[in-house]
Amino acid sequence: GESVGLHLPTLSVQEGDNSIINCAYSNSASDYFIWYKQESGKGPQFIIDIRSNMDKRQGQRVTVLLNKTVKHLSLQIAATQPGDSAVYFCAENRLGGKLIFGQGTELSVKP
Amino acid sequence: GAVVSQHPSRVICKSGTSVKIECRSLDFQATTMFWYRQFPKKSLMLMATSNEGSKATYEQGVEKDKFLINHASLTLSTLTVTSAHPEDSSFYICSAALTAYNEQFFGPGTRLTVL
Repeated sequence: GESVGLHLPTLSVQEGDNSIINCAYSNSASDYFIWYKQESGKGPQFIIDIRSNMDKRQGQRVTVLLNKTVKHLSLQIAATQPGDSAVYFCAENRLGGKLIFGQGTELSVKP
Repeated sequence: GAVVSQHPSRVICKSGTSVKIECRSLDFQATTMFWYRQFPKKSLMLMATSNEGSKATYEQGVEKDKFLINHASLTLSTLTVTSAHPEDSSFYICSAALTAYNEQFFGPGTRLTVL
């Protein structure tokens, strides 16, 4: 079936380094993606989104890249900080507002 | 962003009892609310979509008679887990949106433990 999945379940980075979290999707018709951050015991928090008419979008310390050819998107976090430690999910926003979440990547930041 | 609350944040109940979880949009009117379920170290799985004043739309495999959803007002949706069993233990998260096509704002989640 169709899915949105992540390549790696865990990622450990040194404080100050850049982090890259990847996500693959299978539905070539997908046209809107969102990245969420979820801290332990809390609900997801919106980070950044991107539509299929773009291949890159930047926010504060974060950049999302979308490669429609290989159906892949990534979240880049610059100068990763301890407060960035969390689980990161990509999600596909489908018709009717339905969100299909990927499996998640747990980011750990080492001081 | 907009604020969504859930109550209770944690609940422990005995097997066979029913538990009600509330989801409130505090500073906006939410035509659409969504209910998700999340197991430990797993992703969020959409359970159902509720529109104010209408019956909820359940995802495939979700028992509507077991997970009763009511969205009677533009600021409140409730999820009732009926005749709860240990396998219903999970983290339940709601989200609220102005409409189905607007950004979803997530609640903090409710941890349900069924003994």
